[in-house]
Amino acid sequence: GIQVEQSPPDLILQEGANSTLRCNFSDSVNNLQWFHQNPWGQLINLFYIPSGTKQNGRLSATTVATERYSLLYISSSQTTDSGVYFCAARLYNTDKLIFGTGTRLQVFP
Amino acid sequence: DVKVTQSSRYLVKRTGEKVFLECVQDMDHENMFWYRQDPGLGLRLIYFSYDVKMKEKGDIPEGYSVSREKKERFSLILESASTNQTSMYLCASSSRRLGHLTGVQTPRNNEQFFGPGTRLTVL
Repeated sequence: GIQVEQSPPDLILQEGANSTLRCNFSDSVNNLQWFHQNPWGQLINLFYIPSGTKQNGRLSATTVATERYSLLYISSSQTTDSGVYFCAARLYNTDKLIFGTGTRLQVFP
Repeated sequence: DVKVTQSSRYLVKRTGEKVFLECVQDMDHENMFWYRQDPGLGLRLIYFSYDVKMKEKGDIPEGYSVSREKKERFSLILESASTNQTSMYLCASSSRRLGHLTGVQTPRNNEQFFGPGTRLTVL
């Protein structure tokens, strides 16, 4: 089955720094989502991005489906950005998502 | 805004009890999902329902069953809870990836949305 790998597994930043999180997937996908899991465990939708680039405030994401990767950019990080970031991919002909193992981000003041 | 709600945020049960976890969505989504999340293992799909009374096993269905009697509600049932079922349980919903417009299947945005989660402890 499809493999979804995220890097780095852990990231420690000082407030104000920029970061790039990467998601590689092993097969062609028809949907790629990025989530942020807050300290209370809720998964917050960040981007639905099968291809191309999207921006939402300090966050942006790019998916290059032909090269099987997606990137999440966080600029001017804040302590509230801390948590775990997951990417999840959906194969063609299925409605199910396959999740990566996440990147744990800690932002210190 | 899509809203997915779960019946409890925290639940403590004893070994052998029958446990019901309820999930409700208000966006008329066809698909509903139950996952469990454990440290080091990520999110794993337990069961998936693509329509009322329809279900499909996920990656780890053993020890669980589900019920979908109404489109908006998807229940996860632990017939006889065990300590290894202590976990965070997350419910999600989405539209089907293909819609039917004038008889033709058309791709749809089937972004998946999650509820707040239920942290279950089995003693």
